[in-house]
Amino acid sequence: QKEVEQDPGPLSVPEGAIVSLNCTYSNSAFQYFMWYRQYSRKGPELLMYTYSSGNKEDGRFTAQVDKSSKYISLFIRDSQPSDSATYLCAMRGPGGTSYGKLTFGQGTILTVHP
Amino acid sequence: NAGVTQTPKFRVLKTGQSMTLLCAQDMNHEYMYWYRQDPGMGLRLIHYSVGEGTTAKGEVPDGYNVSRLKKQNFLLGLESAAPSQTSVYFCASSYPGLAGESGELFFGEGSRLTVL
Repeated sequence: QKEVEQDPGPLSVPEGAIVSLNCTYSNSAFQYFMWYRQYSRKGPELLMYTYSSGNKEDGRFTAQVDKSSKYISLFIRDSQPSDSATYLCAMRGPGGTSYGKLTFGQGTILTVHP
Repeated sequence: NAGVTQTPKFRVLKTGQSMTLLCAQDMNHEYMYWYRQDPGMGLRLIHYSVGEGTTAKGEVPDGYNVSRLKKQNFLLGLESAAPSQTSVYFCASSYPGLAGESGELFFGEGSRLTVL
């Protein structure tokens, strides 16, 4: 069983829809949770970062972490065609040299059609 | 500001051949990483470095070697390529310490390798 599970989709939604992307994980040591966005044939870029449980909002994007359920979510409101990309969840344990040693989900391919 | 640059972007190898992927970053980052991305597997860490002259194994290090002779460069080598190493390889860099707490990695655009 993978440490991080993410539904690969693909997910296709109309413009303006609310999108929900999710990951589950098994390692209780994970404390830092990230969402990366990857456009076709590009490298991933950090979209959202959350420490421990709770919500974080940035414009149309909301990240939620529920450590008790080992479940994280990314919500996209008023989705746009420019949001079409692969969304990767990523997470890591506490401090030190583990800062960049991320464990990634498989990625969800999202298409927002006009 | 170029960020993280990978060369080459595409390469086709025959089984048993060797090659080196070069990663260069101009952000003065201490930490650098090599990941591979495969369908259904996400990104997996191959090797990483926490400073010039240091390297360490990641999750899938077998069949690869790395070197960090200069702070700005991180090389990934395949000594004897195998079809299982067909993948997209991403180099990344990050800040150390609290500045890197967000876990933000700065990725290159990837190098697509096919081993026949």
